[in-house]
Amino acid sequence: AQKVTQAQTEISVVEKEDVTLDCVYETRDTTYYLFWYKQPPSGELVFLIRRNSFDEQNEISGRYSWNFQKSTSSFNFTITASQVVDSAVYFCALRCNDMRFGAGTRLTVKP
Amino acid sequence: ETGVTQSPTHLIKTRGQQVTLRCSSQSGHNTVSWYQQALGQGPQFIFQYYREEENGRGNFPPRFSGLQFPNYSSELNVNALELDDSALYLCASSLFQLGTEAFFGQGTRLTVV
Repeated sequence: AQKVTQAQTEISVVEKEDVTLDCVYETRDTTYYLFWYKQPPSGELVFLIRRNSFDEQNEISGRYSWNFQKSTSSFNFTITASQVVDSAVYFCALRCNDMRFGAGTRLTVKP
Repeated sequence: ETGVTQSPTHLIKTRGQQVTLRCSSQSGHNTVSWYQQALGQGPQFIFQYYREEENGRGNFPPRFSGLQFPNYSSELNVNALELDDSALYLCASSLFQLGTEAFFGQGTRLTVV
């Protein structure tokens, strides 16, 4: 069975704070992919990053960074120096055959 | 601009009616997936189509059905609508290979009254 858990339902920070969104996944497959998507109020899911199960190297893209740890089945997402435009719902997803999403974390960045 | 377009953007239907939602996939993508996203929840996988055949299905009843056309566009049909079918329906296109990211349309907001 595939499952994604995002334990943080809502997070509120003040602009310029760093924030980490947690994601824990479950799967029996050895080959899988993990994703993060951003959903602004417009509703469209915006792709942020993909990581395969054989690549545990962390990745940084500007203010965004991702920490993949197979030992704890976690794929956490950190935004450094958050901005108001980062306010959105963020989804972690796991793809073995089809894609399964977590419940999402609503991030609010206040000015 | 992902290139995935869905129509209509909003729809209101009465319980018991039938509805068809449409999706045009991104150029070059051969796989289409549909998701139901209830308010405050994550998207739930309905089914996936590849080469005009259903290639995987989530935990949805048979009254949820779909089609994929030779140009890779797709339809989602829901019969005998229930109030709980009210949700945002998202279409995603991708390549069939496992690791490719899916690109999503803006969704169709369906309200069943």
